[in-house]
Amino acid sequence: QKEVEQNSGPLSVPEGAIASLNCTYSDRGSQSFFWYRQYSGKSPELIMSIYSNGDKEDGRFTAQLNKASQYVSLLIRDSQPSDSATYLCAARMPGSNYKLTFGKGTLLTVNP
Amino acid sequence: DTAVSQTPKYLVTQMGNDKSIKCEQNLGHDTMYWYKQDSKKFLKIMFSYNNKELIINETVPNRFSPKSPDKAHLNLHINSLELGDSAVYFCASSQEGLNTGELFFGEGSRLTVL
Repeated sequence: QKEVEQNSGPLSVPEGAIASLNCTYSDRGSQSFFWYRQYSGKSPELIMSIYSNGDKEDGRFTAQLNKASQYVSLLIRDSQPSDSATYLCAARMPGSNYKLTFGKGTLLTVNP
Repeated sequence: DTAVSQTPKYLVTQMGNDKSIKCEQNLGHDTMYWYKQDSKKFLKIMFSYNNKELIINETVPNRFSPKSPDKAHLNLHINSLELGDSAVYFCASSQEGLNTGELFFGEGSRLTVL
């Protein structure tokens, strides 16, 4: 079973801190990785995608990919209460007909 | 203008009934999906269509039958509903190419089976 694993949390950080969210995947051939944010009662929305080893930054968000370790992370700098949500890691595995496999999500709470 | 729209947003029904959920996207995407999200937030793919052709059919009971009349529409019909079918069902679409993969989700349809 090809899987994406995340710590379910909850992860609680104070406002202004760095939140670190982690994800591992089982299929070494996976090439595309995504972080989605889902507010309670809402649909998931894409916040970051990453395809190459290393870091990718977008505003307060940094995605990190290490294919050798089969590890993806998301760092949120200067965390705000509005960042409180469930963060879903997803991977596209080869030969999957475009299927995205999601992790079970990490619930992040940013405390004012 | 809503990019991916689903109807209805809420369904409450009795076990054994049949229900349908409709989805439409106005993004011009070729691929549409049905995902099921359980109470623990686990989002799992059920079906995918590319240009009206079924390309992903996960291990889903055959009580679930998708139908895509055209590439902008994907419907889901569920027969003989069971308690375990209670979940939020998300429709999504994407336009595929190298290094893409962004899914655009509808608002979800919350199904409660009593």
